[in-house]
Amino acid sequence: NAGVTQTPKFQVLKTGQSMTLQCAQDMNHEYMSWYRQDPGMGLRLIHYSVGAGITDQGEVPNGYNVSRSTTEDFPLRLLSAAPSQTSVYFCASSYPATSGSYNEQFFGPGTRLTVL
Amino acid sequence: SQQGEEDPQALSIQEGENATMNCSYKTSINNLQWYRQNSGRGLVHLILIRSNEREKHSGRLRVTLDTSKKSSSLLITASRAADTASYFCATFPKGTDKLIFGTGTRLQVFP
Repeated sequence: NAGVTQTPKFQVLKTGQSMTLQCAQDMNHEYMSWYRQDPGMGLRLIHYSVGAGITDQGEVPNGYNVSRSTTEDFPLRLLSAAPSQTSVYFCASSYPATSGSYNEQFFGPGTRLTVL
Repeated sequence: SQQGEEDPQALSIQEGENATMNCSYKTSINNLQWYRQNSGRGLVHLILIRSNEREKHSGRLRVTLDTSKKSSSLLITASRAADTASYFCATFPKGTDKLIFGTGTRLQVFP
């Protein structure tokens, strides 16, 4: 199993450009999510999905779109990049817990994005 | 604002000593999870404790949960230089499917 994969590893954008960060998992996990991590800080939830066709907003959704057409893929779209979106982006996936909620998250290696 | 806050923000110890990190959160939870992040890398899951559990062990890790105080602690016994990393707690608040992370503790273990 490849686990959770993210592409690209690094990206530099100019202000106003758009792009899509790719995330894929091969563990048949229902739950997928996107986080951003700014220097010296914790992770903040951008968007998440509890299954194909279902997405919802996290803590910091503005400026980002997501879709979940398949169980495996959960791309994150930056609509019009801004310097404030310079960050490291992590994708994660998980599966339901018997007691409700979800179990451990499996994280991808991250995408380091710089917006000039 | 973030659901969880860790204390201390940074911790420096010698190899062989124990390291204790604390996490406080704001609302009732389904479970609480601890993660480790080595510098510049992705997060690795360490341990999950459910809201009806009070203590859990995994190797050199011991996690406690006090739902009345809305707090958890992570104890790493006999620390090694390889334990140097940032440690985060994360919670699923009840009624949501959002996993919210705390601010993290940076642990430095000196040989």
